Amino acid sequence: GAGVSQSPSNKVTEKGKDVELRCDPISGHTALYWYRQSLGQGLEFLIYFQGNSAPDKSGLPSDRFSAERTGGSVSTLTIQRTQQEDSAVYLCASSLYGTNTEAFFGQGTRLTVV
Amino acid sequence: SQQGEEDPQALSIQEGENATMNCSYKTSINNLQWYRQNSGRGLVHLILIRSNEREKHSGRLRVTLDTSKKSSSLLITASRAADTASYFCATVFSGGYQKVTFGTGTKLQVIP
Repeated sequence: GAGVSQSPSNKVTEKGKDVELRCDPISGHTALYWYRQSLGQGLEFLIYFQGNSAPDKSGLPSDRFSAERTGGSVSTLTIQRTQQEDSAVYLCASSLYGTNTEAFFGQGTRLTVV
Repeated sequence: SQQGEEDPQALSIQEGENATMNCSYKTSINNLQWYRQNSGRGLVHLILIRSNEREKHSGRLRVTLDTSKKSSSLLITASRAADTASYFCATVFSGGYQKVTFGTGTKLQVIP
């Protein structure tokens, strides 16, 4: 596609429910990132996929968070047993492989846990 | 933890003035990038400066990099109301995973 696509744009869920957030990166981009941004805050790194390498999961805040990237393309971020503090905008970005490449961002999914 | 720290956290200027934002980081980098974010959603890449570069220009943007001080600055000249946004610096480490790590951001308000 033309850019990074994220779905849904907005998600309201009840505390304790599981949610899945989807990211479609730009075709050909081998690197994919998930970030979380709470209201008025900076970007918190969650997870990074690069090609077939093992993902860097060092930013996942708890074992309720997990992410997959199937076939080196689409990625799904899953949050189990959601809590109110999970409410945030979840941003996905992709980039070409290489050290001097820019990241292209999707418009994010605004998650609200009530 | 965040790699970059921006300063100031917030900046308010009059249209036509210049805006300067600073970024400090902690470890050796391959490059440093600046991004802009409007309305709390997707970020847009502005400029990338490599570790062996000291200054770079793009339109009204000027970025400097001082690797000895582990710091960078973004200058926006002749600011416009449309420049109102949050600005983030991001770094790519010189070793290990080539992931992009973001700072805390500067909120810029340009008053017409």
